[in-house]
Amino acid sequence: SYELAQPPSVSVSPGQTVRITCSGDKLGDKYACWFQQKPGQSPVLVIYQDTKRPSGIPDRFSGSNSGNTATLTISGTQAMDEADYYCQAWDSTTVVFGGGTKLTVL
Amino acid sequence: EVQLVESGGGLVKPGGSLRLSCAASGFSFRSYSMAWVRQAPGKGLEWVSSISTSSSNIYYADSMKGRFTISRDNAKNSLFLQMISLRAEDTAIYYCARDNSFDHWGQGSLVTVSS
Repeated sequence: SYELAQPPSVSVSPGQTVRITCSGDKLGDKYACWFQQKPGQSPVLVIYQDTKRPSGIPDRFSGSNSGNTATLTISGTQAMDEADYYCQAWDSTTVVFGGGTKLTVL
Repeated sequence: EVQLVESGGGLVKPGGSLRLSCAASGFSFRSYSMAWVRQAPGKGLEWVSSISTSSSNIYYADSMKGRFTISRDNAKNSLFLQMISLRAEDTAIYYCARDNSFDHWGQGSLVTVSS
């Protein structure tokens, strides 16, 4: 079965840029999405179709996807960005989520 | 405003059954595929099932096949998940989500399977 791998945790200082990776076999041939989930809240879509931002998502969030790796980049990270982040892709008729990355803003 | 409101969760004994509902409003429900995603306590997101607009295409995660049934009623703007033969490992918050991109999520409904 298809799998997506994410680092369990990443840390960043406020105002800096952080990149969260998501790896899967030929992931670049699929569309990747990213979700943000804060404690006690439902997930929120922050990036879809590799690079697109839903309305209301700040432009400091951006995405890319090539080869075997999709990347979520947060520029000028703010304390409010501290959360769990999940990547997701469709593999034929199956939905796969990555294991999640806990982003800590130090 | 898009709203998804899940209901029907609760405490059930192992081997029992439960039916979750998701009431949708604020958009044309019949025009969107829908999905269920669950999250066990302290764990990550796990896709359960997806259903197309007319229910013609239905997909399940392998571990849910045969025990879970997704359905929808476009006239009532509602999504359902029938769960049977529940196990302790099915304990989770169950979210309904809109579209194949999961662009909107409900607040979730907690299902606890325990004796």
